[in-house]
Amino acid sequence: EVQLLESGGGLGQPGGSLRLSCAASGFTFSRYSMVWVRQAPGKGLEWVSGVTSDGTPYYEDSVRGRVTVSRDNSKNMLYMQINSLRTGDTAIYYCANWHAGKEYIDYWGQGTLVTVSS
Amino acid sequence: QSVLTQPPSVSAAPGQKVTISCSGSSSNIGIKDVSWYQKFPGTVPKLLIYENDKRPSGIPDRFSGSKSGTSATLGITGLQTGDEADYYCLTWDNSLRAGVFGGGTKLTVL
Repeated sequence: EVQLLESGGGLGQPGGSLRLSCAASGFTFSRYSMVWVRQAPGKGLEWVSGVTSDGTPYYEDSVRGRVTVSRDNSKNMLYMQINSLRTGDTAIYYCANWHAGKEYIDYWGQGTLVTVSS
Repeated sequence: QSVLTQPPSVSAAPGQKVTISCSGSSSNIGIKDVSWYQKFPGTVPKLLIYENDKRPSGIPDRFSGSKSGTSATLGITGLQTGDEADYYCLTWDNSLRAGVFGGGTKLTVL
């Protein structure tokens, strides 16, 4: 059974940093690209960042320069460091697998809530 | 403003058919496959359609997808009240070098 378990969410201060983690199991993690998707309160889904199986990162424009996505294939772990937190980063963050080249997600984590507030 | 444009809302009566459009450009839908997701409040998105028109195992054939040029369409027939949800399209944008979602469409089954 595929499982994606996010952690690291919580309350962050504007200008501060948070590191989200995602533990993957039940599939060959190293073979898949992985992505982070977020949903702000009352808003739609937003693709935030992604990383290919070999570690090449991709970022949505509004987070580029503030966010670093990475993975550790030896530990089946996905990470996303968010710096210079903004209130607009308040959202549920989902970890998901990405079928690169076919452009779809079939497995999602349950999400971790990030709240940015002073 | 989303790169992919969806109508904010659609509605239809139970048993009827509805279509949801997703309009993009030559840097995304025009050259990439599209997938569709159903999302209920407080739950995780669910894959309905991938590679434009394929249904994952377990998705009823009431759900269909198509793509033409720079637009994609999700069709739902035999509408049920349980279909009331938000629906999103997703693809890759070669110019942005990022994934892009549509803004989402709220389906109301009257």
